[in-house]
Amino acid sequence: QVQLQQWGAGLLKPSETLSLTCAVYGGSFSGYYWSWIRQPPGKGLEWIGEINHSGSTNYNPSLKSRVTISVDTSKNQFSLKLSSVTAADTAVYYCASKQYYDILPRGWFDPWGQGTLVTVSS
Amino acid sequence: DIQMTQSPSSVSASVGDRVTITCRASQGISSWLAWYQQKPGKAPKLLIYAASSLQSGVPSRFSGSGSGTDFTLTISSLQPEDFATYYCQQANSFPHTFGQGTKLEIK
Repeated sequence: QVQLQQWGAGLLKPSETLSLTCAVYGGSFSGYYWSWIRQPPGKGLEWIGEINHSGSTNYNPSLKSRVTISVDTSKNQFSLKLSSVTAADTAVYYCASKQYYDILPRGWFDPWGQGTLVTVSS
Repeated sequence: DIQMTQSPSSVSASVGDRVTITCRASQGISSWLAWYQQKPGKAPKLLIYAASSLQSGVPSRFSGSGSGTDFTLTISSLQPEDFATYYCQQANSFPHTFGQGTKLEIK
């Protein structure tokens, strides 16, 4: 059964780059898309983007200019970088596995990592 | 982007009650819809996928229905551990989008 464990810096200053990593344990690294989703305090969920084992990515257009998702298949890890952060990027960031069913790729998120609160403040 | 609108935004109910939450998509998404449960301080948990398929390990009191633009999540008999926030998510197209959430509170 797949488990995800994530880590990264929790306090950033405006204009810095957010960097988070998620490790995948207990399952196949291929055959899934590996996603990042965020949740501002007290608010709803926003899909950031995803990557598969071969490096194919999909990004939310609202964040695409600032987001890079990468993969390290040798370590079964994937990472998120979000540049030029502002207070609006303050959120809990989750990594998640997406099992997909077609070429688009369509699918749902399960399981999720434990979440990392990232606060942007001067 | 496909907008997902949940109703109600919050609902109060008692243990043993039947509760229905609605999710409406701004355009047709076939059955590409999932439901998640989130408890405070925890990551969301997948309950229902493909609009009506129960995720492994999820109690059978949870059920989903709908297709196209209108979907429902039903909890047949509320248990104390069901008080949480519920989100729908469309997987039909990018960007994947979520509803704003429905908070289920104890009456």
